Amino acid sequence: EVQLVESGGGLVQPGGSLRLSCAASGFSFNDYSMNWVRQVPGRGLEWVSTISSSSSNIYYADSVKGRFTISRDNAKSSVFLQMNNLRADDTAVYYCARESAYDFWGRGTLVTVSS
Amino acid sequence: EIVLTQSPDFQSVTPKENVTITCRASQSIDTFLHWYQQKPDQSPKLLIKYASQSFSGVPSRFSGSGSGTDFTLSINSLEAGDAATYYCHQNRFLPFTFGPGTKVDIK
Repeated sequence: EVQLVESGGGLVQPGGSLRLSCAASGFSFNDYSMNWVRQVPGRGLEWVSTISSSSSNIYYADSVKGRFTISRDNAKSSVFLQMNNLRADDTAVYYCARESAYDFWGRGTLVTVSS
Repeated sequence: EIVLTQSPDFQSVTPKENVTITCRASQSIDTFLHWYQQKPDQSPKLLIKYASQSFSGVPSRFSGSGSGTDFTLSINSLEAGDAATYYCHQNRFLPFTFGPGTKVDIK
């Protein structure tokens, strides 16, 4: 069974940093690209970042470029999102999702940026 | 940026009715269009990938069609458990984008 479990969310002050993790199981992790998608509670979905299976291709939304860094550890079947210089409008539930068509999603982790 | 427009924004439907949701892209995206269902307090779930390919385990009453700029998600004989918000998503061009969602409510 494919499982994706996010962790690392929480309350952080503006300008602060957080590192999100997504632990994958139930499939051959190093065969799949991985993605981060966020959702402000009660609002729509926003693509954040994508990393290819070998980390050779990495893409970011303009809203996070230069502040967020996606990475992965295939040996540990995990993908990460390092978030720096956080702003209030980064407040959202952050989901990791598998593959180009986002065929499986985690339950998400809530990031709240507030003083 | 590819803008995805969904219609309707909201639809209230009785069980066993058929539902059609459309997604229009601001330029051609071939068939790089996917549909998701999100129920309250749950994460999104893939229904249809690449415009018309059913995802494993999804009931056959969900189907998709279209290519280029115009796409459709059809739900045949709606069930009470289908109450949700439905999103389309394109990954043909960066930045990848989502439609605003269509909320389907059961009367």
